[in-house]
This record gives sequence, structure tokens and C-alpha cells, in this order.
Amino acid sequence: DQQVKQNSPSLSVQEGRISILNCDYTNSMFDYFLWYKKYPAEGPTFLISISSIKDKNEDGRFTVFLNKSAKHLSLHIVPSQPGDSAVYFCAATDPAGNQFYFGTGTSLTVIP
Amino acid sequence: DAGVIQSPRHEVTEMGQEVTLRCKPISGHDYLFWYRQTMMRGLELLIYFNNNVPIDDSGMPEDRFSAKMPNASFSTLKIQPSEPRDSAVYFCASSPDRDRGNEQFFGPGTRLTVL
Repeated sequence: DQQVKQNSPSLSVQEGRISILNCDYTNSMFDYFLWYKKYPAEGPTFLISISSIKDKNEDGRFTVFLNKSAKHLSLHIVPSQPGDSAVYFCAATDPAGNQFYFGTGTSLTVIP
Repeated sequence: DAGVIQSPRHEVTEMGQEVTLRCKPISGHDYLFWYRQTMMRGLELLIYFNNNVPIDDSGMPEDRFSAKMPNASFSTLKIQPSEPRDSAVYFCASSPDRDRGNEQFFGPGTRLTVL
């Protein structure tokens, strides 16, 4: 059973607007969350992470928000750029920390 | 460092044939992970190693799948016999230690097609 879910397979936004990618998880033991970005024919690359002791982490145009009570996190990209077009994977890990649980990914298209 | 290296990048084979995927992790990394990417399940962890020792292989779908890590710089994932439903992209990733703040570094993947 998928412990990390990304219910939107795809998302299209206009260049310059905000992109919001969502992720839900079921395991309350998860305490560290990551977002990976994947271009075609390449492996996923780390983008941004957040610990459960925080509710927000920002890195340039990218911000991740965590709502522990709702078991929900989101990635905001502002402003969106055409180069942001990629598949974004959400991942979570528990205190043992050895295994990442990935979602199914959301394909983002930023329209120039 | 060249990053995680995987070979081959593409593999096309016929049902029933043996397939071997190869991975060279980043030097100095203690952990190595094998993933399979499918549309339905996203990135699934198949198996991971710590210091060349398999730690968790519960994600390996069937006995047809096996993985080895004979030394710190090389790992293989073998499928024997292969089936069309094994068609997917297989990724290898490595990470430096068990500190969860360190992300996993992925290779470019091997796209496997089983006819």
C-alpha cells in the first residue's frame, strides 16, 4: 500500500505564476520529508527537504509546507519557470531513516 | 566524482532471458539502493545495502529478482527469467551514511523492455 501519495499526476501552470504540488502520507511515524525533481532520461535529484519539527522550509523559489495534523505537505514554486517542467516526487522517511518512501510523482509543465 | 553510474542505459530483451543491471555508487557512500519506477507505483524500493550487506529486500517482487554487492564500488540486479511486466526504469542510488539529512543520489537509470 502506498504510504506516500501524490494524487495529481499532472499540473500545468503559466510561466511566472505559482505552482503548488501536493503530497499526502499515511504513516504518522514519518518525520522527514523530501522533494525530488526528475527530468526525462535522468535520475531524480534532490530539491528540498523538511523536518517534522518545522512547518515551512524555503530555498529560493522553492518552499515546502508541512501540515502534520493533516499528514500533508506541499511544494510551492514561485515564480514558475519553463525549466521547472519536470516530474516531482515526494518522499518520506521514519526515524530509522534508512528507507525513503516515494510517491508516484506529479508531472509539472510550465507554459511560456 | 562522476556520480552514480548505471549500465546499460537501455536494455531490450525477450521474455525468459536473463537480465543483469549494473551500478557503481559514489565513492565513500555506505548505502546503496535499487528502485524500480512504474507509472502505477512511482519509485518502489526493491532492496538496499549497507556496507555491501543486504539490509532489506522486502521490496523484491519475486524470486526471479536477485541483487548482489560484492564490493563497495559495484552492485548488480539480476532478473532471471525476465517477463514483460518487468519492463520499467530501474534506478540505483547511493547515500553517504544513515544520517537522514543526507539525500540519496540517483543514477541515470536503466530502461528495461522485455518483449
